[in-house]
Amino acid sequence: TQLLEQSPQFLSIQEGENLTVYCNSSSVFSSLQWYRQEPGEGPVLLVTVVTGGEVKKLKRLTFQFGDARKDSSLHITAAQPGDTGLYLCAGDRYGNKLVFGAGTILRVKS
Amino acid sequence: GAGVSQSPSNKVTEKGKDVELRCDPISGHTALYWYRQSLGQGLEFLIYFQGNSAPDKSGLPSDRFSAERTGGSVSTLTIQRTQQEDSAVYLCASSFSPGTGVSFLGEAFFGQGTRLTVV
Repeated sequence: TQLLEQSPQFLSIQEGENLTVYCNSSSVFSSLQWYRQEPGEGPVLLVTVVTGGEVKKLKRLTFQFGDARKDSSLHITAAQPGDTGLYLCAGDRYGNKLVFGAGTILRVKS
Repeated sequence: GAGVSQSPSNKVTEKGKDVELRCDPISGHTALYWYRQSLGQGLEFLIYFQGNSAPDKSGLPSDRFSAERTGGSVSTLTIQRTQQEDSAVYLCASSFSPGTGVSFLGEAFFGQGTRLTVV
């Protein structure tokens, strides 16, 4: 059982559509990070959210940390083929190790 | 180097042979993680190091897998008697981990991985 559950596992959409990826846990995290992995590369950090209820925007990407700091979401507006990749969330339990979700594979078709 | 370095980048081995995969983390990063990624899939956790000790090795799939870290730096993942199902990309990541109870961890930096093919 994953400490951090990501959903959906796979997502295939048309260019221009909106989508949301979820990262859920029964545990509280002091912070949560989102990473993106392009084919052939290692994952790269997109954003870190720290405060419960926090919302961060990165161009067409909106990240939200749940009020209770147990869950997070990533919303992409008007997806583009360049958004294709693996999206990972990772939780930090108060200075202990980072726990990664298994990831959401996103494919945006033109 | 400035980033996490993994070697070799590609490894093809015969079934039954042993392989060693190496990870050079970013200098000063105390936390080191090994993950496995099958083609088109997400990350599968293998083992976590804090310094030279491994407080969490729960993800190692069998006793054919082992890992060590020396000098709080380089880590080696060893797979004995490789099987075809071991074929995957093995990713290493490191981060600065100041210790339990401190506010939050820094970013995890990943290497580009070792693609292992068992034939």
